[in-house]
Amino acid sequence: GEDVEQSLFLSVREGDSSVINCTYTDSSSTYLYWYKQEPGAGLQLLTYIFSNMDMKQDQRLTVLLNKKDKHLSLRIADTQTGDSAIYFCAEGTNSGGSNYKLTFGKGTLLTVNP
Amino acid sequence: EAQVTQNPRYLITVTGKKLTVTCSQNMNHEYMSWYRQDPGLGLRQIYYSMNVEVTDKGDVPEGYKVSRKEKRNFPLILESPSPNQTSLYFCASSIGTGREQYFGPGTRLTVT
Repeated sequence: GEDVEQSLFLSVREGDSSVINCTYTDSSSTYLYWYKQEPGAGLQLLTYIFSNMDMKQDQRLTVLLNKKDKHLSLRIADTQTGDSAIYFCAEGTNSGGSNYKLTFGKGTLLTVNP
Repeated sequence: EAQVTQNPRYLITVTGKKLTVTCSQNMNHEYMSWYRQDPGLGLRQIYYSMNVEVTDKGDVPEGYKVSRKEKRNFPLILESPSPNQTSLYFCASSIGTGREQYFGPGTRLTVT
């Protein structure tokens, strides 16, 4: 079955880089995702990577994928106080015939200190 | 603006009183799904729909029903809510399977 693990907390200083790590178990994942949730808000899709890629860069965000180790990371360069939020890693897998399901980690609370 | 909307955003109700949470998307997406988010458990899929009149159970379907009569709408129905259905509910849609899912703002439901 699918399982996604990520550390629960990360604290950084403004201007530093943040790296949020995630491990997943299902080797048949097609896409892997990073979502951001600010307090009281919904889930915002930040970025995603296809499972046959190993890196994707999008402005301040860099996603690294090590498929062999089933390890995904999100690096935020020049972290700002507005980046404080919960970050969810998710893997997408085909399950139960036609379903495409996202399995989420429990989320990493990123706190950015001025 | 492309978006997924949910109503209501907040709801407090009592055990056994039927309720419906609506979800609508304006992106002509075929795939829609409902999740619930609980502390320490993350997000879990309740039901999904591949297209109009095509729905199926996710991981935690007990106590819920859905319908998909139109492509844009995917309501979540709780026929007889119980306190263990107190949660934050998210609707999501995507253009097809295997693609990125866009989430609504969430509905915080409290059942007393």
